[in-house]
Amino acid sequence: DGGITQSPKYLFRKEGQNVTLSCEQNLNHDAMYWYRQDPGQGLRLIYYSQIVNDFQKGDIAEGYSVSREKKESFPLTVTSAQKNPTAFYLCASNPGLRYHRSGNTIYFGEGSWLTVV
Amino acid sequence: RKEVEQDPGPFNVPEGATVAFNCTYSNSASQSFFWYRQDCRKEPKLLMSVYSSGNEDGRFTAQLNRASQYISLLIRDSKLSDSATYLCVVNMASGGSYIPTFGRGTSLIVHP
Repeated sequence: DGGITQSPKYLFRKEGQNVTLSCEQNLNHDAMYWYRQDPGQGLRLIYYSQIVNDFQKGDIAEGYSVSREKKESFPLTVTSAQKNPTAFYLCASNPGLRYHRSGNTIYFGEGSWLTVV
Repeated sequence: RKEVEQDPGPFNVPEGATVAFNCTYSNSASQSFFWYRQDCRKEPKLLMSVYSSGNEDGRFTAQLNRASQYISLLIRDSKLSDSATYLCVVNMASGGSYIPTFGRGTSLIVHP
């Protein structure tokens, strides 16, 4: 089955630690995204990548970093510079720029819950 | 001004009621419009795409009004299982790309 796999589902971070959230897709999608969701809030864009070896900052990129070395993979690192990282993190993908018409549905992984302890 | 705006609700309705949600977007160059459903502590899942001609899927009807830049979702004969948050999503033009941009969601509570 095609889809997006995020891991781990639950993660605890100590103050000052960097942690990396994994996101893998086998949908052959060009574009991948990371969103953060806080309780009772909408999804806010952290980073996105429209093609391999290229990525762009979203609305709340400070304290985060990403890489896109392979089409299938878009890991997110939450660095110690992110002062309030406790949130629900969602990875998503869609076919990308070539398919910007109505068929450009976005698909989500199951999400990762990050808590600072 | 937020790029995609929704009334957060909650909308509290009895079973069998008809309920309508609206969503407005700021960028007229936007392409592709969707409604997603999100259950508590879960990832969003596609409910339906939205077209100018309108589209219907069972009890759900979605409509796009490009001139007024709004999207609507109508749910008829509400069920208890419809209780969830409904997210409006717009693929919004930004620097040569189209970025999926979310409203903050509208909460629906269907009670017996």
